[in-house]
This record gives sequence, C-alpha cells and structure tokens, in this order.
Amino acid sequence: DIQMTQSPSSLSASVGDRVTITCRTSQSINKYLNWYQQKPGKAPRLLIYAASSLQSGVPSRFSGSGSGTDFTLTISSLQPEDFATYYCQQSYSTLYTFGQGTKLEIK
Amino acid sequence: QVTLRESGPALVKPTQTLTLTCTFSGFSLNTRGMCVSWIRQPPGKALEWLAIIDWDDDKYYSTSLKTRLTISNDTSKNQVVLTMTNMDPVDTATYYCARTSSRGPGFIMTFDYWGQGTLVTVSS
Repeated sequence: DIQMTQSPSSLSASVGDRVTITCRTSQSINKYLNWYQQKPGKAPRLLIYAASSLQSGVPSRFSGSGSGTDFTLTISSLQPEDFATYYCQQSYSTLYTFGQGTKLEIK
Repeated sequence: QVTLRESGPALVKPTQTLTLTCTFSGFSLNTRGMCVSWIRQPPGKALEWLAIIDWDDDKYYSTSLKTRLTISNDTSKNQVVLTMTNMDPVDTATYYCARTSSRGPGFIMTFDYWGQGTLVTVSS
C-alpha cells in the first residue's frame, strides 16, 4: 500500500497567517492527490483534488501544489473557520490511503 | 442533491459481525464512474479507507481488513451494505460512507460527498 506522511502533525497559527501543510507519499503518484478538511464532529469535506484543482465552493485562499511524491496545501490568509484538521489522500492506487492528519489550531 | 446516510447498530459485542447500510440519493450506482466507499475513523484518530464498490460491481478492500470485509449493493434500493466480521474493541470508530467519483481530465477519484457518519462501539 502507498504510505502517506503529513507534516506537521499539528500547527498553531493566527488569523491572517499563511500556512503550509506537506504530504509525502511512499511512491510516485503523479497528481493523484486530494485534500480534505474535517471539523470536530463533522464528516470530511473535499477541498482540493488532483493536487491543485479547487473543489467547487471552496474559497480561493486554499491552494494545492505538487506532483510525484511531494505535495503541499496552502491557506493564504487564515480565517477563523479554517481551524480544523486536514488530511491528504491518494487515488493513484485503488487501495486508497490517507495521511495521519494535520490539526490546525488557533495561536 | 446528493445525500448519503449510514445506519446500523451503535453497539456490538466482540466477535460479532457488524452490518452497516448506506442509503443514498441524488446519483445512481448504475452510472459509469460512480462508486461508494466506506471509511472509518477511531475516536481522535485518522481516517482509514475500508472498501469500495463501483458501477460495474467491482469491489476492492483494505489490505489489512480484506479477510473481514464484504461490500455489496442493492441498486433497486440505492443502498450499499458493508459487513465486518469478528469485531474487536479496536474497531470502535465512526463509520462513514462516501460517494466516490472522478474529477478532472485525469479522472482522479475523490470522496466528494459524505454521510454524517455512525459511531459503532465494540464492547461486551
């Protein structure tokens, strides 16, 4: 199975900050990488697909980049509603796998 | 409007078999490219993909759990059922079903719609 490693595991930031979350895969997955946001007690929400495409309805302050084994999710200016846990997920293999999550907390 | 809803027991005993049902609307599993997946999340932990069934009735399972899982669909009822045998306390989790469909020119599969999840506790 393809292993996913996210960093950092947790992150403290302030409203208005620019933050970057990294996801690394154990083998090359081209651009078959998606990002999800999950708030406590809620189901995850698709933010970014194919490494850099914004899902409909997602604010443009979210962006993704990368290909191969290294990917990033960037939030350009944190808003109060962005404090949540973020997961990367690969779709290169049908044996889908998720990263361990990055919890974004208010500083 | 796409919706999914999970249903099943909130409590199961160790060694029992868990049966969960995902009832969906707003799309058809007969449509090429459409799939439904099951994903779980132990309390305070990460998401774990379990199984998927596609429009062609092909099925794939998590490597670590494949001997315990069975996924099936009833297209007449718009339902997908997951069974997991030999339940253990470590299987305590919120279980989600999610529509899985392709996006973009690369046909990249995404979990684009999710149910609200159902918490299953395994305890004697």
